[in-house]
Amino acid sequence: QSALTQPASVSGSPGQSITISCTGTSSDVGSYNLVSWYQQHPGKAPKLMIYEVSKRPSGVSNRFSGSKSGNTASLTISGLQAEDEADYYCCSYAGSSTLGVFGGGTKLTVL
Amino acid sequence: QVQLVESGGGLVKPGGSLRLSCAASGFTFSDYYMSWIRQAPGKGLEWVSYISSSGSTIYYADSVKGRFTISRDNAKNSLYLQMNSLRAEDTAVYYCARSPPGLYYFDYWGQGTLVTVSS
Repeated sequence: QSALTQPASVSGSPGQSITISCTGTSSDVGSYNLVSWYQQHPGKAPKLMIYEVSKRPSGVSNRFSGSKSGNTASLTISGLQAEDEADYYCCSYAGSSTLGVFGGGTKLTVL
Repeated sequence: QVQLVESGGGLVKPGGSLRLSCAASGFTFSDYYMSWIRQAPGKGLEWVSYISSSGSTIYYADSVKGRFTISRDNAKNSLYLQMNSLRAEDTAVYYCARSPPGLYYFDYWGQGTLVTVSS
């Protein structure tokens, strides 16, 4: 399984909105509504932000939203805050008898 | 509250072995699927291995197949990763992570344990 493709970095100013893309194939992102997103601050464990494309776990701000179109999933963060500065990873199910696949990660900088 | 605590990491020579453990608490461990996910220094996440709640279903990444063995002891609320024939490219922080039964996302992660393979 090849890694999903994410931009290496994105940036935005406080209060703005940004979108991080996650491009896979018809074998993973395109075939299943099983994309999840994780936030990772330096030196910390990843934290689940979005699951099953667009669902938010309890406790995650509604400023975080997810969507999917074809083979590309997206994470949108609205009303950017300084605390959102982190690395973000997408992950997709890739079919039975295989493990899922992660994206390469995107570094979000809040200017 | 849910806690996952990894242990067993350290420095090992190429070709050596190491056994990682993950102690779970705050939830019914036997209900959940568990995974090991690693992150090489400065790199992204890689799903290494997965085990179902009963242990009957196990998957490995191609990069570790035949060298690593995942197991669990539901009576001890513990997850394990036996790593043999270690290579420099196995150097990483290893996280254990929980998945709700039959679902394909990780809702809780441990803090990770560092494995360094070097001579």
